[in-house]
Amino acid sequence: GAVVSQHPSRVICKSGTSVKIECRSLDFQATTMFWYRQFPKQSLMLMATSNEGSKATYEQGVEKDKFLINHASLTLSTLTVTSAHPEDSSFYICSAPQGTGNTIYFGEGSWLTVV
Amino acid sequence: GENVEQHPSTLSVQEGDSAVIKCTYSDSASNYFPWYKQELGKGPQLIIDIRSNVGEKKDQRIAVTLNKTAKHFSLHITETQPEDSAVYFCAASVQGTDKLIFGTGTRLQVFP
Repeated sequence: GAVVSQHPSRVICKSGTSVKIECRSLDFQATTMFWYRQFPKQSLMLMATSNEGSKATYEQGVEKDKFLINHASLTLSTLTVTSAHPEDSSFYICSAPQGTGNTIYFGEGSWLTVV
Repeated sequence: GENVEQHPSTLSVQEGDSAVIKCTYSDSASNYFPWYKQELGKGPQLIIDIRSNVGEKKDQRIAVTLNKTAKHFSLHITETQPEDSAVYFCAASVQGTDKLIFGTGTRLQVFP
């Protein structure tokens, strides 16, 4: 079964509004989680590393004020897309390492459509 | 930074044939190499992974080989079935972290 869960799976929001996506590790703790973005027919691009109890670290070119990441507990990281625009429409996916070997598992993904 | 190249971009095989997808990476410090299967509209599903201290790993019809000297790794699927049709991504870890850099993906089609 799934070890990483995302919610919502699909969301539609109006331009200018903010939307929050949740990523949960199921039955294990994750001090670090990762957020990726994927456009249609393209690969996954790492956006940021979510760190429990501290600030997220963002990849080059990713606006930290636009994509707010909060890792408030050992099982939950949230990504908030602020002041959303149509170009932010994409598939957002989170991942978390599990186990002593840090196997990386992904969530089911969240489709964001900004209208 | 780390770069991962993946070939081919598309691959069509007849049911029962084998499929091979190849990836090369640039960071010699990478030590974790997972492969993911992604179906349309879904998140990537881990199908097999290999670490730098191992040269080959097999799980039923799926196998992965790693050549650290040449910095390339391959996915082998034998006795392909139509349900194997999906996009497959290779990935390599960034030195000392759990961050993954992904290849560009291979769309595999298995025809009955």
